[in-house]
Amino acid sequence: AQSVTQLDSHVSVSEGTPVLLRCNYSSSYSPSLFWYVQHPNKGLQLLLKYTSAATLVKGINGFEAEFKKSETSFHLTKPSAHMSDAAEYFCVVSDRGGTASKLTFGTGTRLQVTL
Amino acid sequence: EAGVVQSPRYKIIEKKQPVAFWCNPISGHNTLYWYRQNLGQGPELLIRYENEEAVDDSQLPKDRFSAERLKGVDSTLKIQPAELGDSAVYLCASSFGAGGNYNEQFFGPGTRLTVL
Repeated sequence: AQSVTQLDSHVSVSEGTPVLLRCNYSSSYSPSLFWYVQHPNKGLQLLLKYTSAATLVKGINGFEAEFKKSETSFHLTKPSAHMSDAAEYFCVVSDRGGTASKLTFGTGTRLQVTL
Repeated sequence: EAGVVQSPRYKIIEKKQPVAFWCNPISGHNTLYWYRQNLGQGPELLIRYENEEAVDDSQLPKDRFSAERLKGVDSTLKIQPAELGDSAVYLCASSFGAGGNYNEQFFGPGTRLTVL
């Protein structure tokens, strides 16, 4: 069984300040972990993925995430928020030992960026 | 390169009516997925196809939902009859392969269904 918990349903930051979106996971196998972003009326877009290589993963648009097995966490960060980062973000887990490519999504975190 | 195409983008129907959604995956992608995303939730897998074979339909409510991918390319998801609780966004995704390693899924913009 696999699941993810996104600890905040809504995060608000000022433009230019750091972003932290928190995610904890549960997995019966060695997991693959992902962050997807969803802008209004657009499809989900992959930001970054962890698949057992380096624990610090860099993605698009300046985002990165660190896989911490001891804490079962995969938090998403960005040093400086931009207005265009406002969107819904989903943490996603896939059991690499389980059903191929079966993704389990978290409930999402809405990021608001203010001036 | 065109992404995953879905139509219609929006659909409003009355309960008990049928409805169908269409998806055309990225060219060359043999794996196709249908997800349902309820308001305020993450997407949940309904069915996964590898070519024309439905290899995982365990979450598809088979009493009213059906899907097909006859030629292993585009796909249709149908609901008959629709219920109020079916109001959601229906997402289609595709990937090249679906083996033991993760193959990135590319998502379409979705069809927003409202059942009145």
